[in-house]
Amino acid sequence: GESVGLHLPTLSVQEGDNSIINCAYSNSASDYFIWYKQESGKGPQFIIDIRSNMDKRQGQRVTVLLNKTVKHLSLQIAATQPGDSAVYFCAETVMSGTYKYIFGTGTRLKVLA
Amino acid sequence: SAVISQKPSRDICQRGTSLTIQCQVDSQVTMMFWYRQQPGQSLTLIATANQGSEATYESGFVIDKFPISRPNLTFSTLTVSNMSPEDSSIYLCSVEKRDRLNYEQYFGPGTRLTVT
Repeated sequence: GESVGLHLPTLSVQEGDNSIINCAYSNSASDYFIWYKQESGKGPQFIIDIRSNMDKRQGQRVTVLLNKTVKHLSLQIAATQPGDSAVYFCAETVMSGTYKYIFGTGTRLKVLA
Repeated sequence: SAVISQKPSRDICQRGTSLTIQCQVDSQVTMMFWYRQQPGQSLTLIATANQGSEATYESGFVIDKFPISRPNLTFSTLTVSNMSPEDSSIYLCSVEKRDRLNYEQYFGPGTRLTVT
């Protein structure tokens, strides 16, 4: 069957190199942002989050950068591994009547051996 | 964390029929969400389903087409009514879990629906 991310922008990275995935968000009032990883046939999986009062947060091999001035979010993956191949989505949280998550377009990361 | 299961995992349905998708969580949660993910695209929020209140639908989605039930804090259903081929998609439920400092959203594996 058709896999997730078939028509999404693709980033190809050599194994062992660093990956940078970018995301533009829409709402200047958003106060919380999350990166998700989605492998084929699975639901999105939480990777890392950041609040709007921060501009950088580090996890294990991943770093998220937030630039509120230009409403830009990035995910950096160090020493990219084959298991990192997936589709990556950013999401912003918005309070509009009810509290909800708005997902970005997504980027497919392909790790080359 | 939260472990979420969905039934069915996939189905092929004829146009004009309806399908009810079940979402079961292994712990009690207040907020549950239903998303649609069309092939090669991102997730689009259909509605937010909080226990004890009517579901809140996003623009472009209506209750008659996507009725939702939320009978308790661990279970929800989404029905796709009077299906057409345009409803072919992956349907995902998710939950939000919060503690004092953090909140995370967990997703089910999705239900892949094909309408012929």
